[in-house]
Amino acid sequence: AQRVTQPEKLLSVFKGAPVELKCNYSYSGSPELFWYVQYSRQRLQLLLRHISRESIKGFTADLNKGETSFHLKKPFAQEEDSAMYYCALSRSETSGSRLTFGEGTQLTVNP
Amino acid sequence: ETGVTQSPTHLIKTRGQQVTLRCSSQSGHNTVSWYQQALGQGPQFIFQYYREEENGRGNFPPRFSGLQFPNYSSELNVNALELDDSALYLCASSLDLGQPLYEQYFGPGTRLTVT
Repeated sequence: AQRVTQPEKLLSVFKGAPVELKCNYSYSGSPELFWYVQYSRQRLQLLLRHISRESIKGFTADLNKGETSFHLKKPFAQEEDSAMYYCALSRSETSGSRLTFGEGTQLTVNP
Repeated sequence: ETGVTQSPTHLIKTRGQQVTLRCSSQSGHNTVSWYQQALGQGPQFIFQYYREEENGRGNFPPRFSGLQFPNYSSELNVNALELDDSALYLCASSLDLGQPLYEQYFGPGTRLTVT
């Protein structure tokens, strides 16, 4: 069975500081990893996925299979980054796209 | 292009009752997934429908059932409601089944409270 762990429920940083949201997973196969974000009073939306190797809103995430991690990073946090962030995993070898989510990290960027 | 919509927004039910939640998928999407999000938790996969057939189910009892219609809209039915069923129920649609490049688009959710 797959599992996603986000060790920090709350994370607070100052504007301009680097931020890293941790995500670890357990899965025996080859996973697809995602970060979803939920801004205040908005719906859950995809931020980025590891297969695209893209940077969105200054955020990047690298899949480290050796450490089974997919941490989300941004060198200079902005106040508008304040939101709830969820790491999620999908099993690539199955025909479904069901997602297993972590419990989420509430990021607050202080002015 | 219309996004994923869900109805109702909120509802309150009594333990033992039955409830039906509805979801309209984004235009052109044929895959719908349902998730339960308890307070302070991440979304948990309930089941998925692809072209009107159930395709995968999470660790939920049979009293959680669903349907997908020819227009790809979907319903989630919960029988014999329990207090622990109180949660936000999310619907997500995607363009096609099993394609990780096809993003899942989430609806705003239905907040169910069981008293």
